[in-house]
Amino acid sequence: GDSVTQMEGPVTLSEEAFLTINCTYTATGYPSLFWYVQYPGEGLQLLLKATKADDKGSNKGFEATYRKETTSFHLEKGSVQVSDSAVYFCALYQTGANNLFFGTGTRLTVIP
Amino acid sequence: DTAVSQTPKYLVTQMGNDKSIKCEQNLGHDTMYWYKQDSKKFLKIMFSYNNKELIINETVPNRFSPKSPDKAHLNLHINSLELGDSAVYFCASSEGGATRTQYFGPGTRLLVL
Repeated sequence: GDSVTQMEGPVTLSEEAFLTINCTYTATGYPSLFWYVQYPGEGLQLLLKATKADDKGSNKGFEATYRKETTSFHLEKGSVQVSDSAVYFCALYQTGANNLFFGTGTRLTVIP
Repeated sequence: DTAVSQTPKYLVTQMGNDKSIKCEQNLGHDTMYWYKQDSKKFLKIMFSYNNKELIINETVPNRFSPKSPDKAHLNLHINSLELGDSAVYFCASSEGGATRTQYFGPGTRLLVL
């Protein structure tokens, strides 16, 4: 069945470091891919998405490229800030399904 | 204006009690969801409603019963609460199905003693 695998956390970085959070997926066809972010004490909110192969989603300095050949959607940011500390979820939507499949989440902590 | 709201924000109760969590969205969306997030942050879909009709009912105990009185509301009633029900419950909504952006509520933190 459809699934999403994220890198295990937690991830701790210094401010201005480069961030990569890996996400790979298993699905038939051409799913849509998402990154959601959950700040402490809050619900999830959409960070970015890509709906077809080679699309790049971007928002708030974060980017992720839909790579069908490697079934990946890795999240990157060139220079993280303390305010980026949160839990990041990769998610997949498959045509015909009625829901998103979420990864297990990766906790990021950015220290000054 | 709050897009997706849940009440209560915190809920502490004894085993065996019955409790309800309410959810309302003012976005005009057709589809609403309930998720359960455990202590390790794992997020699992429980129910999904589209235009007041149940379209997803994952394997959850039948002690959990969703009720959608109208498109803007999806409430979750839980009977005979158990320790394992302790978690954060999130309501969400989307327009036209799951491929669209889902908007999440702030969560209800349930602790069963």
